[in-house]
Parts: sequence; structure tokens; C-alpha cells
Amino acid sequence: DTGVSQDPRHKITKRGQNVTFRCDPISEHNRLYWYRQTLGQGPEFLTYFQNEAQLEKSRLLSDRFSAERPKGSFSTLEIQRTEQGDSAMYLCASSFNLKNGYTFGSGTRLTVV
Amino acid sequence: KNEVEQSPQNLTAQEGEFITINCSYSVGISALHWLQQHPGGGIVSLFMLSSGKKKHGRLIATINIQEKHSSLHITASHPRDSAVYICAVCEGGGADGLTFGKGTHLIIQP
Repeated sequence: DTGVSQDPRHKITKRGQNVTFRCDPISEHNRLYWYRQTLGQGPEFLTYFQNEAQLEKSRLLSDRFSAERPKGSFSTLEIQRTEQGDSAMYLCASSFNLKNGYTFGSGTRLTVV
Repeated sequence: KNEVEQSPQNLTAQEGEFITINCSYSVGISALHWLQQHPGGGIVSLFMLSSGKKKHGRLIATINIQEKHSSLHITASHPRDSAVYICAVCEGGGADGLTFGKGTHLIIQP
């Protein structure tokens, strides 16, 4: 197991297009998190899954954003009708339990032009 | 909502210097994390603390729960330590997500 994988690493898209990102967590980790990081800022929490259940969503997650974790393993984050303000690094992290901390992926950098 | 403040925002130092980065937060937490982020975005977890002090190699992290304050120290700093160091807190009690500081951009010059 090589850690948390995110795909793609980079995505350039035109405004108004839909994009989908994928995160593969460490296999035994039941918790999965999505964060967004804009330039010069710390990451901000978007949403959290425990197994396949989406337990927490930030108000940052507008109705254009949807996240799924259908089988409690990998997760996808979809952004519909992208806007320039969606340009950011989208980070995924996973955890087995909070006592053992988090493992982060390398992120997907989205640029909306 | 927890407010996480880091200082300094930017720090440039010479190789070998002792480095201190500070983090304060406003609401009680279950754990505090120190993270390292290199250009390109990947984040590496350095420490998770709920009390006291932890040491790993040249890195030392301390936390004072009563004062809601943590410090990350780097001894004998090296250019490869150059990165953004981010403090993040977990409030627990069902709110599992992390709240992050803005990060400290550290540059160690040879």
C-alpha cells in the first residue's frame, strides 16, 4: 500500500465544464476527508465519510459539489458547472481512527480558465 | 468555529539555526497536528499531540492545553527543511474534520 492516491494530479478545465476527482485511501482506513486549499491559505474542510456514509459537509460545499464513496473504499468529488473561484488544490486524507492521525494524498490541482 | 493562528507567516533563516513556529487556537481540542507541505502540494503528517511534548529526529513539538498554544521547533536546520509548516486542530466530539492555520513558509538558506 503506497498511501493515499489522488487522480488526476492536475486538471485544467474551461469554465462551465464538469470535473471529477478520485481519491483512493489506505485500504484499511474507514475515514476519508476532502479539503480544498487556495493559494497562500491553509486547507479548508469540505466533507467527511465514515465507510460509505457521508457524515459531515461544510457549507463551502455548494450544490455544484457532490462527493461519493459508494463502497466505502475510493471516493469521488465532482464539481459541476465549474467557476474560476473553484481553482484550488483539492486534498484527500484518510484515517483509521483519530488516535493514529491522518494520511494525506498529494492533491489534485484544479485550474478553471 | 476554531480560529487557528500561526506565527510567523514567513521565516527565512540560515542553515544550522534553531527554528520555532507558533500556533494558537481559540476552542478546546482533542488533538493538534503539525503538517509539512512541500511545493507541489503533498502534505506529510509530522506530529499529532494531545498533551506534552513529542520529538522525532531534529523536530520537537510541544503543546500547552491550558494556554491553547503549540510550538514546533527545528534544531540544526537544513535547507531541506524548507517547506510550509501547517498547524491543524481537531475538536473531536463527532466533528472529525481538521481546522487548519494558514501555514508558515520556512526558507533555510545554505
